[in-house]
Amino acid sequence: DGGITQSPKYLFRKEGQNVTLSCEQNLNHDAMYWYRQDPGQGLRLIYYSQIVNDFQKGDIAEGYSVSREKKESFPLTVTSAQKNPTAFYLCASSSGQGRLGNTEAFFGQGTRLTVV
Amino acid sequence: AQSVTQPDIHITVSEGASLELRCNYSYGATPYLFWYVQSPGQGLQLLLKYFSGDTLVQGIKGFEAEFKRSQSSFNLRKPSVHWSDAAEYFCAVGAADYSSASKIIFGSGTRLSIRP
Repeated sequence: DGGITQSPKYLFRKEGQNVTLSCEQNLNHDAMYWYRQDPGQGLRLIYYSQIVNDFQKGDIAEGYSVSREKKESFPLTVTSAQKNPTAFYLCASSSGQGRLGNTEAFFGQGTRLTVV
Repeated sequence: AQSVTQPDIHITVSEGASLELRCNYSYGATPYLFWYVQSPGQGLQLLLKYFSGDTLVQGIKGFEAEFKRSQSSFNLRKPSVHWSDAAEYFCAVGAADYSSASKIIFGSGTRLSIRP
């Protein structure tokens, strides 16, 4: 079945550590996105990518980093510079017409990150 | 700047009653509009989308939405809700960016509870 797989579902991090969230899609989509979700704040865009080896900062990129070495994969690293990383993280992808804004996004099941 | 406003944080309706969830957007060009639904701890699922044409669009699970350009609104409706409709609902706009990937901007969400 085609879809987006995020792993792990739950992740615990000690303060000061970097941690990487995985996102893989087999939908052959060009565009991929990372969102952060906090209660009452909806989804806020962290990073997005239209093609391999290219990505742009979203509204809350500070303390995060990404890579897009393969079309299928868009991992997100939460660095120690992110002061409040506890949140629910969602990965999404959309088809190659994404530049026009007229393609829907398909979402993974999310990763809940908790700092302990 | 593009933005999406969902003025109702939480709505409770009785099972079998009608539902309307409000969404207002701010976007300079022709908007591409979406409604998504999220069950607790899960990713988002697309309910419906508007790109062009008929301003009343039908979606899955008996939902519909009407695009009103004059009011910058895209309200979601259902004539008779079921207990399984209890979830969080997000309105979103696809923002075209011709220099790079487009962005999908989400509202803060409306949590729907169903009264037995």
